[in-house]
Amino acid sequence: GDSVTQMEGPVTLSEEAFLTINCTYTATGYPSLFWYVQYPGEGLQLLLKATKADDKGSNKGFEATYRKETTSFHLEKGSVQVSDSAVYFCALSEDSGAGSYQLTFGKGTKLSVIP
Amino acid sequence: KAGVTQTPRYLIKTRGQQVTLSCSPISGHRSVSWYQQTPGQGLQFLFEYFSETQRNKGNFPGRFSGRQFSNSRSEMNVSTLELGDSALYLCASSLGASWGETQYFGPGTRLLVL
Repeated sequence: GDSVTQMEGPVTLSEEAFLTINCTYTATGYPSLFWYVQYPGEGLQLLLKATKADDKGSNKGFEATYRKETTSFHLEKGSVQVSDSAVYFCALSEDSGAGSYQLTFGKGTKLSVIP
Repeated sequence: KAGVTQTPRYLIKTRGQQVTLSCSPISGHRSVSWYQQTPGQGLQFLFEYFSETQRNKGNFPGRFSGRQFSNSRSEMNVSTLELGDSALYLCASSLGASWGETQYFGPGTRLLVL
């Protein structure tokens, strides 16, 4: 079945440092890929997504490129801020049959940014 | 546009009881999915409803069930609660037409089973 593997952390960075969170996936078909973020005490918010190979998703300074050849979707940001402290989830979605599109998530990476 | 809403936000139950959680999707969305989030297992898919029909179900026991109403609102029910059912239950809504579309999540219902 489908699976997503991401570095589990926790990751602690100083403000303005470069961030990379690795994500690789296994899928039977041609999935869409997502990064979601969860702030303390809240639900998940979509950060960015990509639906086909070589697409780059971007939002709020975060970027990730859909790499089909390496089955990867690594998240990057050039300069993190304290407000980026949260848990980040990599996820994929593909047709599960009968037209249903469930999300399969990685375990999450907790990011703490210190001033 | 209002987001996904879930009620109640917090719930405390005892073992053996049953519980019903409610989810109201974004207006116009016909698909509602439910996920369980725990520190040990992470985020796991429970089931998905589209136009009042269950289209897909995750690997959970039959104690977990759900339904969707004609206005797309959804409820999930857990019977005979166990301590391990303590979790954050997240509901997500989408148009339900394509695997590339975004699922929008509610704030969750935090269930504690004592």
